Order: sequence, then structure tokens, then C-alpha cells
Amino acid sequence: KAGVTQTPRYLIKTRGQQVTLSCSPISGHRSVSWYQQTPGQGLQFLFEYFSETQRNKGNFPGRFSGRQFSNSRSEMNVSTLELGDSALYLCASSWEGKDSPLHFGNGTRLTVT
Amino acid sequence: AQSVTQPDIHITVSEGASLELRCNYSYGATPYLFWYVQSPGQGLQLLLKYFSGDTLVQGIKGFEAEFKRSQSSFNLRKPSVHWSDAAEYFCAVEGSSASKIIFGSGTRLSIRP
Repeated sequence: KAGVTQTPRYLIKTRGQQVTLSCSPISGHRSVSWYQQTPGQGLQFLFEYFSETQRNKGNFPGRFSGRQFSNSRSEMNVSTLELGDSALYLCASSWEGKDSPLHFGNGTRLTVT
Repeated sequence: AQSVTQPDIHITVSEGASLELRCNYSYGATPYLFWYVQSPGQGLQLLLKYFSGDTLVQGIKGFEAEFKRSQSSFNLRKPSVHWSDAAEYFCAVEGSSASKIIFGSGTRLSIRP
């Protein structure tokens, strides 16, 4: 069974631009979560989607948004990029339920210059 | 609020030596606890999880963890480390929402030849 796939692996953008990251979950997983990982802040929860609906949201500004499609694939968008948005963005999928661990993709490394 | 503390930022052990990585959590109810490992440039891989039952949990790659409610701890152990175990290790607790997992700040493990 294929794992969680994130594209692209690397992105370089300039301040003020916007970016869209993509995540394909493990087949059958309906929950997709996004995390931002930086050396200073560690792993921070961005949001979680389930059945095309945002179910939870972390403490990030409105520039960070996402969506989920009917096939459970998810996209994350960041508008008006800032230098501080440089990070590894990780997507994780899981089954429904509290006893379902997250399965992570390898992430998208975003660099903002 | 739920939280996870990993008091050791960086640990170095000799190859073949035993390992214990510390994790303390704060959670009102019975927690769902996880240990993940991250190799450089990769996503996170689940090592083991605790939901209920036996407090000693076996995971992949020879790792185990013990849940101690009285100490609010979930320490990760391995009897004999291998050079390939060098990575960053994250302890995590499932939060109040069924879908939100909170990560500790991570412990970087280095292996001395």
C-alpha cells in the first residue's frame, strides 16, 4: 500500500508570493492533518480535514488555508509569504477515531527568500 | 491543556549501549501516547503507541516504552542502539479532539562509534 505522498519536495518562493502544497493520503484514510516544522517552534499543528470539512485548526493566521477533495487528497495554501514561513510542511493521514495514529509523508521543504 | 515535555534536547550514546529517552505528558484523562522517529529530510515514522492495557509497549526496530501514570511519563527504551538509530525522536499525546496530536519538542539522538 502506498504511503502518504507530498508534492513538491522542495519549493523556493519570494516574499509576497503564494504557494500551494499537495498531499495524497494513504488509500482509505479520510483524515488529513498538516503540520509546520521549524527548528525554533518544532512541530505545530496547522489544521485537519475530514470528509472535505475542516475539523480542527491550529493557531496560524488566515494566510494559511487548506481544503480536501472528495478523494481525500488535500491541498494547503499560504498567501502573502513571509520569511518566517520557511519550514518543512508535513502532511499526515489516518483512519477515523482516537486510536488511529498519524502516518506522515516526507514533507515539502519551503524556503522563502 | 494537554502538553508533552521532552527534557533532553540532545543525547549521545555509544553504539551497543542502552538508551532511554524521557517523555512527560500533561493530560486529564487516560492519554493516547505515541513515539515517532524522524530521520533527516524525512517525515515521521510511528515507533509505538499506547492506548490502554499493558503499560509496557513493544514497537518496531527493537524499541519499547513504559507508561507510568503516577509519574505522567512514557519513556522510550532500547537495550542496544545501532548507528542507524541516530535520528530525532518525538513523543506525542492525542489531545482532546479525536484528531489533534500534540508533539514534544523532540530529542536528537547521536550514536558514538
